[in-house]
Order: sequence, then structure tokens, then C-alpha cells
Amino acid sequence: QKEVEQNSGPLSVPEGAIASLNCTYSDRGSQSFFWYRQYSGKSPELIMSIYSNGDKEDGRFTAQLNKASQYVSLLIRDSQPSDSATYLCAVIPTGTASKLTFGTGTRLQVTL
Amino acid sequence: DVKVTQSSRYLVKRTGEKVFLECVQDMDHENMFWYRQDPGLGLRLIYFSYDVKMKEKGDIPEGYSVSREKKERFSLILESASTNQTSMYLCASTLGGADTQYFGPGTRLTVL
Repeated sequence: QKEVEQNSGPLSVPEGAIASLNCTYSDRGSQSFFWYRQYSGKSPELIMSIYSNGDKEDGRFTAQLNKASQYVSLLIRDSQPSDSATYLCAVIPTGTASKLTFGTGTRLQVTL
Repeated sequence: DVKVTQSSRYLVKRTGEKVFLECVQDMDHENMFWYRQDPGLGLRLIYFSYDVKMKEKGDIPEGYSVSREKKERFSLILESASTNQTSMYLCASTLGGADTQYFGPGTRLTVL
């Protein structure tokens, strides 16, 4: 079983819609969760980090964490074509200090 | 802003060559990481370092070594490059703990 799982997509949403990206993780003791965005040929850039159960909002982005269900999601409101990218979910599992475990990413396509 | 730089964006080497990939960060970060990224496999950790002259193996260290003589610089060495080491190599750094990892621009290495 993969430690961090994401649907590879592509997830296609029309411009202006809400994109919902999902991630599950296997280590129940994980405490730190990150969403990165990666454009084709570029390196990952951080969108959001979340550490506590519930929602965390930053502009058009909302991260949601449910530790009981071992589930973290990213919502993108008012999706724009510039949001088209691969979104990587990353987790710091128990006892691994600052080592991240990444999912393989979900490719998002925002259509006009 | 954190700045992580890598010595080359693109590199072409021949099988059997010794290859050096350099990474420099300017934020006095304690921890530095080397990943490789391949389609369908996501980001995989090769080596990381928590301090100067300190290194630990990641998930796929075979065929690689590292050097960290100064805090700001972390080098990845391919002792004898092989075609299966053709990949995107990404360096990252973090202050420590659950802090965010910041990525360099990446080096796309092709081994012929």
C-alpha cells in the first residue's frame, strides 16, 4: 500500500468552477501535511500547509484535514486556466523529522 | 524569500562519467534534501542531510553519494552515471521539524 495516495487524473473542471483534489495517507500518526503545485517542467512550489483538523483558507485555496479518516483535500475556488498543473500532496509521517513523503500527484486541467 | 539554486538546468552526460549536481540555499537552513522525479513514480528521496558533514540515506540511495562540507551547499554525486539515472533531480531545503521544504528549479539530467 502506498503511503500517500492521489488520483492521477486528469481532473478536468471548467473555468470558474471549484476543483476538489483529494489525498489519503496510511500513517495514522502523521502530523504535518502540505500541498504543492507543479507546472510542467518546473519544480514544486508550496500552496498550503495544514497541521490541525478542519479547514484552512488562503485566498482561493482551502485545505481540509480529517485525521480520523486519514484524508486531506485541497479545494480551488473560481478555477482559472493558470491553475492547470499537477498538485502534489505531501505528508511528514511519524518519527521522520522533516522528511516528506509525496503522492504521485493529480493533474488538473481548467478548461475555458 | 528563500532561494534554492541548482548548478545546471539541463545536463547531458555519457554512461560511466562522474556527475556532480550542486545545490545552494541562502536561508541558513539546517536540512537539505535530494530527490529524483520520474513520470508515474513521483518524487523519491535519494539522500538528506540534517547538518554539515552529516548525511542519511533516503529511499533510493543506490548509485549516488552526497557531500555537505558547508551548511549552505549540498552536492549529489553520481559515481558512474548509468542510463537509468536519467531523470529530473530536485534539491530542497528546510529550517527543520515540520517546516516547509523549498525546492530549487531542478536539473534535468540525461545519461546517454
